[in-house]
Amino acid sequence: GAVVSQHPSRVICKSGTSVKIECRSLDFQATTMFWYRQFPKQSLMLMATSNEGSKATYEQGVEKDKFLINHASLTLSTLTVTSAHPEDSSFYICSAPTAPVSLYGYTFGSGTRLTVV
Amino acid sequence: DQQVKQNSPSLSVQEGRISILNCDYTNSMFDYFLWYKKYPAEGPTFLISISSIKDKNEDGRFTVFLNKSAKHLSLHIVPSQPGDSAVYFCAASVQGAQKLVFGQGTRLTINP
Repeated sequence: GAVVSQHPSRVICKSGTSVKIECRSLDFQATTMFWYRQFPKQSLMLMATSNEGSKATYEQGVEKDKFLINHASLTLSTLTVTSAHPEDSSFYICSAPTAPVSLYGYTFGSGTRLTVV
Repeated sequence: DQQVKQNSPSLSVQEGRISILNCDYTNSMFDYFLWYKKYPAEGPTFLISISSIKDKNEDGRFTVFLNKSAKHLSLHIVPSQPGDSAVYFCAASVQGAQKLVFGQGTRLTINP
């Protein structure tokens, strides 16, 4: 089946530094990638939608200068958390629609646990 | 505004019995619903979906029921197995829009 490979799975960084999270679609092309954030015991909150070859669309309240998204190819989307602060510590997950969506839904990456110290 | 709600944060069921997870939504534009299973520190795994033109979809031990008039859907797992212990999220979207709106999740525990 379709796989979305997400790296790294865990990262600890110092305040003020930047962290890049990668999501690669294996064996299928992902023209769209969704980026979610999950706080402990809470739901998955959509942050932004990246589209290959165009600018990402951000949800209300998400700072686009802080969460840089790049979707340079049909198989790779990246999320960079810039100038990270402790409040950015969270679980970040990417997801791509898997055709046909009615049969396979959306395929999620395994997630990245970011801890900012 | 929580458009998709799972009002039970947790559910405990005996192995072999039926597990019923519930989900309510408020946006009448939603026409596609999905259930995902999630283990800690992993991404959600797609379980089953249903389009608004149907009221039931079945896949093995998993059945999803949709009641459009009540804006309610449920996931039935029967018989429940220990490996079913996980957090279950329901999600909804408008077909074509692709964006998913998730509920808060229900932690299901299957007791041996």
